[in-house]
Amino acid sequence: NAGVTQTPKFQVLKTGQSMTLQCAQDMNHEYMSWYRQDPGMGLRLIHYSVGAGITDQGEVPNGYNVSRSTTEDFPLRLLSAAPSQTSVYFCASSTSEVSYEQYFGPGTRLTVT
Amino acid sequence: GEDVEQSLFLSVREGDSSVINCTYTDSSSTYLYWYKQEPGAGLQLLTYIFSNMDMKQDQRLTVLLNKKDKHLSLRIADTQTGDSAIYFCAETLNYGGSQGNLIFGKGTKLSVKP
Repeated sequence: NAGVTQTPKFQVLKTGQSMTLQCAQDMNHEYMSWYRQDPGMGLRLIHYSVGAGITDQGEVPNGYNVSRSTTEDFPLRLLSAAPSQTSVYFCASSTSEVSYEQYFGPGTRLTVT
Repeated sequence: GEDVEQSLFLSVREGDSSVINCTYTDSSSTYLYWYKQEPGAGLQLLTYIFSNMDMKQDQRLTVLLNKKDKHLSLRIADTQTGDSAIYFCAETLNYGGSQGNLIFGKGTKLSVKP
């Protein structure tokens, strides 16, 4: 049981490039979400999903797309990277929307130059 | 809108108690949480408290909830150098009708001096 895994751990992009941050969980959790963590800002919700085929926007969705074709995977796509997207990205999952325990992945540190 | 406030820094000596405070705004939050983040690592759920409780104790950790003042605190007894980390307070964010999302404070960096 690997829990929540994220790849890559580190990534450097040039402005305008696109990429996908991967997130996977092997706990059969229905609920998954993406947060970004910026210095002095805490974590902010980007997108979330309550089950396969269902996604919705969080607080800061602009510039990001998500899809949920399977229960296990919840990739986050940056369409055209901007320096403002330099951040640490965390994926989380839980058994349901109201589960008290969310499991976080180790994070992806993204730098956009 | 919802907001969670925490002080940014706390420094204690090893063996002392640490108290990290948090205020929140959404009185409808079902659960309130404390997460710990060590350098370069993800977030680890330390403890949580259900909104109808006043206190929860778990080994060295004590959580106090004052719903009237919307104040949450985390007390760590006998603080050790391994407790040095950033501690995040979080409440349920009722965003788009989903209660599964969390709103986090900015984190309190706890430094433990030997």
